[in-house]
Amino acid sequence: NAGVTQTPKFQVLKTGQSMTLQCAQDMNHNSMYWYRQDPGMGLRLIYYSASEGTTDKGEVPNGYNVSRLNKREFSLRLESAAPSQTSVYFCASSTRSWEQYFGPGTRLTVT
Amino acid sequence: GNSVTQMEGPVTLSEEAFLTINCTYTATGYPSLFWYVQYPGEGLQLLLKATKADDKGSNKGFEATYRKETTSFHLEKGSVQVSDSAVYFCAAPFGNEKLTFGTGTRLTIIP
Repeated sequence: NAGVTQTPKFQVLKTGQSMTLQCAQDMNHNSMYWYRQDPGMGLRLIYYSASEGTTDKGEVPNGYNVSRLNKREFSLRLESAAPSQTSVYFCASSTRSWEQYFGPGTRLTVT
Repeated sequence: GNSVTQMEGPVTLSEEAFLTINCTYTATGYPSLFWYVQYPGEGLQLLLKATKADDKGSNKGFEATYRKETTSFHLEKGSVQVSDSAVYFCAAPFGNEKLTFGTGTRLTIIP
């Protein structure tokens, strides 16, 4: 049972490049989330998906897009990366009782 | 509005010391309450939870009691170990399908 997996683990982009962060869960959870974590800022919700086919903005959605491809997969896309998007990105999924399960994170640097 | 507030760190303790990390919430009603832990280089993982007032959550020697009178859910451990060094987050569900996290408290245990 892999839980929540994320790819890649590390990525370096130049300003203006695009990329997609992949996330998959094998726990049959309906809800999935993307967070970013910056030093001293805690976790900030970017987007979430309460069920397959639905997505909603979180606290900091600007500069990002998401796709809930199916129940297992939830991807995050940066269309034109900026240095302000340098961060650690976490994907999570949750049970109906609010317990969230996190992936290991993607460390993104934008130069 | 609804919020979770936890004590700012960092907190540095000697091994075998007593630990308290404060967490209070502001909400209408009595939401479930959670503590998550993030070890270095990893994603968050659920440490313990309480689903109603007066419940006590416990795991790995940590405890937290849901006290509605003081709207608090303080994390405690009687004797900390070096392996407890991590960042600890208090959290509660205030919106549809979303958890609100506190800003995190970094704990360092020195031998």
